[in-house]
Amino acid sequence: AQKITQTQPGMFVQEKEAVTLDCTYDTSDPSYGLFWYKQPSSGEMIFLIYQGSYDQQNATEGRYSLNFQKARKSANLVISASQLGDSAMYFCAMRAAQGGSEKLVFGKGTKLTVNP
Amino acid sequence: DAMVIQNPRYQVTQFGKPVTLSCSQTLNHNVMYWYQQKSSQAPKLLFHYYDKDFNNEADTPDNFQSRRPNTSFCFLDIRSPGLGDAAMYLCATSIPGRGQYFGPGTRLTVT
Repeated sequence: AQKITQTQPGMFVQEKEAVTLDCTYDTSDPSYGLFWYKQPSSGEMIFLIYQGSYDQQNATEGRYSLNFQKARKSANLVISASQLGDSAMYFCAMRAAQGGSEKLVFGKGTKLTVNP
Repeated sequence: DAMVIQNPRYQVTQFGKPVTLSCSQTLNHNVMYWYQQKSSQAPKLLFHYYDKDFNNEADTPDNFQSRRPNTSFCFLDIRSPGLGDAAMYLCATSIPGRGQYFGPGTRLTVT
């Protein structure tokens, strides 16, 4: 069975600094996808970045990058130049393919607080 | 433009009074999902539709039902809400090979 582990319940960072949010995963499937979502206090889950298991390069999307270390089964999110608006819950998730449906297995999340 | 729309954003219902939450999408995606998310927890999948095929999670209470009359719309029915059903309910859609697109959620309060 797939499992996502986020070991940091909360993280603090100063504005304009970089921060790394940890995520490790466990799966026996050779093909999988890893996602990071941001959830502000309003509740909406906002897609940030995706990494496929066969992707050769680490994914990047603007200030977000995914540090994918396949052998270590880790997919850490790096946010560069933090902004106050980055304060939110961050969830790491893995796609668990089931036929044509793609269920997501979520970690417990990390609450990021950006200090001015 | 909103792609996954949930109405209402906030819903208050009384203990035991049936309530329906609505989700619509403009993405024409095959799959639609309903999640329940309680405070400070990860979203928990309740069920999903692949086209018209309904897939219930093993631990979803019978109190929760769903309908998908067409590709665009999906409804979550809670037949007899209890206090423990107060939560954020998130709808999402997907197509094979990519992630899920979430709506803004409906925050349900049970009084």
